[in-house]
Amino acid sequence: GAGVSQSPRYKVTKRGQDVTLRCDPISSHATLYWYQQALGQGPEFLTYFNYEAQPDKSGLPSDRFSAERPEGSISTLTIQRTEQRDSAMYRCASSPVGARETQYFGPGTRLLVL
Amino acid sequence: ELKVEQNPLFLSMQEGKNYTIYCNYSTTSDRLYWYRQDPGKSLESLFVLLSNGAVKQEGRLMASLDTKARLSTLHITAAVHDLSATYFCAPLLIQGAQKLVFGQGTRLTINP
Repeated sequence: GAGVSQSPRYKVTKRGQDVTLRCDPISSHATLYWYQQALGQGPEFLTYFNYEAQPDKSGLPSDRFSAERPEGSISTLTIQRTEQRDSAMYRCASSPVGARETQYFGPGTRLLVL
Repeated sequence: ELKVEQNPLFLSMQEGKNYTIYCNYSTTSDRLYWYRQDPGKSLESLFVLLSNGAVKQEGRLMASLDTKARLSTLHITAAVHDLSATYFCAPLLIQGAQKLVFGQGTRLTINP
């Protein structure tokens, strides 16, 4: 596509529920990133994919967080048993190949856990 | 671990004035990005600085990189209201897994 898209744009859920966020990167881009951005802060790295491989998931806050990119294009970020502290903006970015190229960010998904 | 500090975190300035935002980082990096974020919007790439002494300019914004001092600056010349936004620097962590590490951001407000 023309740019990175994410859905839903807003998600309100109750504590304990599972949520899945979706990212559709720029179509030619091999590398996809997930970030968490708290209000008034910069994005914090969660994980990334090169095609379908996930070389680094060191930024995932707990084992409740997981991400997939099974066919090397669309990716999902799933948070199980959500907690209030998971409330944040979740941003996806993509780059042509690897971290040494400019990352293009999507509009984000605002998650609110009640 | 790469730590990134921007200052100031908040900056209110008048149109027509000049100012500089500073970005210090704690470990070796060989490239650094500047991004702009408007309220409620996503991040937009402004500059990528690839080497020591690199300088890039776009309109009223000029960015520079000193890899030896681990310092980047974003200079605003003759500010206009349209430049009001939050600006993030992000050096690339090159030791171990390569990833961007973002600063806290500098929230810039330009008043008429």
